[in-house]
Amino acid sequence: RKEVEQDPGPFNVPEGATVAFNCTYSNSASQSFFWYRQDCRKEPKLLMSVYSSGNEDGRFTAQLNRASQYISLLIRDSKLSDSATYLCVVSPNAGNNRKLIWGLGTSLAVNP
Amino acid sequence: EPEVTQTPSHQVTQMGQEVILRCVPISNHLYFYWYRQILGQKVEFLVSFYNNEISEKSEIFDDQFSVERPDGSNFTLKIRSTKLEDSAMYFCASKSGQEHEQFFGPGTRLTVL
Repeated sequence: RKEVEQDPGPFNVPEGATVAFNCTYSNSASQSFFWYRQDCRKEPKLLMSVYSSGNEDGRFTAQLNRASQYISLLIRDSKLSDSATYLCVVSPNAGNNRKLIWGLGTSLAVNP
Repeated sequence: EPEVTQTPSHQVTQMGQEVILRCVPISNHLYFYWYRQILGQKVEFLVSFYNNEISEKSEIFDDQFSVERPDGSNFTLKIRSTKLEDSAMYFCASKSGQEHEQFFGPGTRLTVL
């Protein structure tokens, strides 16, 4: 089983649509969870951390289910600028020095 | 806004040659990382570095790889004898002591011919 597994994608949606990304992770001892965004041929950038209670940042909502080892990201009212690859990222380490384990990513294209 | 910088942006080398990829992390950060991304594949952890020593390394980071922080500002990744399969985008990242977020540089695209 892959360490971090994501929807295969790609997702093509019209502007204004709601889109959901799913992710599962294999290491039940994982400590921290993130969604990163990567534009074509650019570096990954942190979109949001994911907390057990779920968290929201504007149009973006992240959920974590530790029992199912499942993470989700919901984008509401999608914009053209949301077009990118969304990477599910997990850190197995406790403490400050945290390596990141990455999913392959799901590509999103928002169309006018 | 402070940022991580990397040089060069693109390095082309012959198989068997040594390359050094350079990174300048954000100045007050304490934790440093190298990741790589082969075209079309996932980002992979290579190594983490703290307090002037390697904290953790992956299976990819074999004896051909080494890291250094020679002068308190630069953080380098050396590949001693490059192979074709080392062709990838190499990202440097740094992190402060308290925050979760790792800040990534723009990457160096390494092409081994």
